[in-house]
Amino acid sequence: NAGVTQTPKFRVLKTGQSMTLLCAQDMNHEYMYWYRQDPGMGLRLIHYSVGEGTTAKGEVPDGYNVSRLKKQNFLLGLESAAPSQTSVYFCASSPTGQNTGELFFGEGSRLTVL
Amino acid sequence: KNQVEQSPQSLIILEGKNCTLQCNYTVSPFSNLRWYKQDTGRGPVSLTIMTFSENTKSNGRYTATLDADTKQSSLHITASQLSDSASYICVVSAEKGNTPLVFGKGTRLSVIA
Repeated sequence: NAGVTQTPKFRVLKTGQSMTLLCAQDMNHEYMYWYRQDPGMGLRLIHYSVGEGTTAKGEVPDGYNVSRLKKQNFLLGLESAAPSQTSVYFCASSPTGQNTGELFFGEGSRLTVL
Repeated sequence: KNQVEQSPQSLIILEGKNCTLQCNYTVSPFSNLRWYKQDTGRGPVSLTIMTFSENTKSNGRYTATLDADTKQSSLHITASQLSDSASYICVVSAEKGNTPLVFGKGTRLSVIA
């Protein structure tokens, strides 16, 4: 069972470069989320989607964009990477929404911006 | 402000011993509380969920408690194993719609032989 798959797992960028993180889930979940995890801090929500074709801002959306063109995929884009975006990014999906349902996380994508 | 505080930040115990991790929250109105286990280099995995009416719930060697009056939860691990070494994250959900979940910073548990 694949569950939630994130690609790439590791990436190094220079300041100003752009990139896209891909999240794919095979559980037919409606809800998908992008979080970032930084040392000494709890997971913080960047953007989320409540269904195909929808996106919404989370707690820390600045500098990121997302798209949910297909139900199974949720893309996170960085248009102009900054050192402050160095972090581990986690994608998660849920069948019934984060407030009631369990979150199923991917393995994480470690991004370093130099 | 909705917050979740976990203690201790880190803990080292000998294999076979028991331990208890604490979670205090100020999230209101409260909906539920989950404990997640996060192995190094992996994503968090849910261990258990506690709703307002539940006081205790077990999942194998893991037992979670909830005191909704004092807004405290604990995760007790019995007869620890090396594989229990991980970060344990307390996550609290508010009742309102798409209010973001509030994540604790986690307790880093190391079980040594």
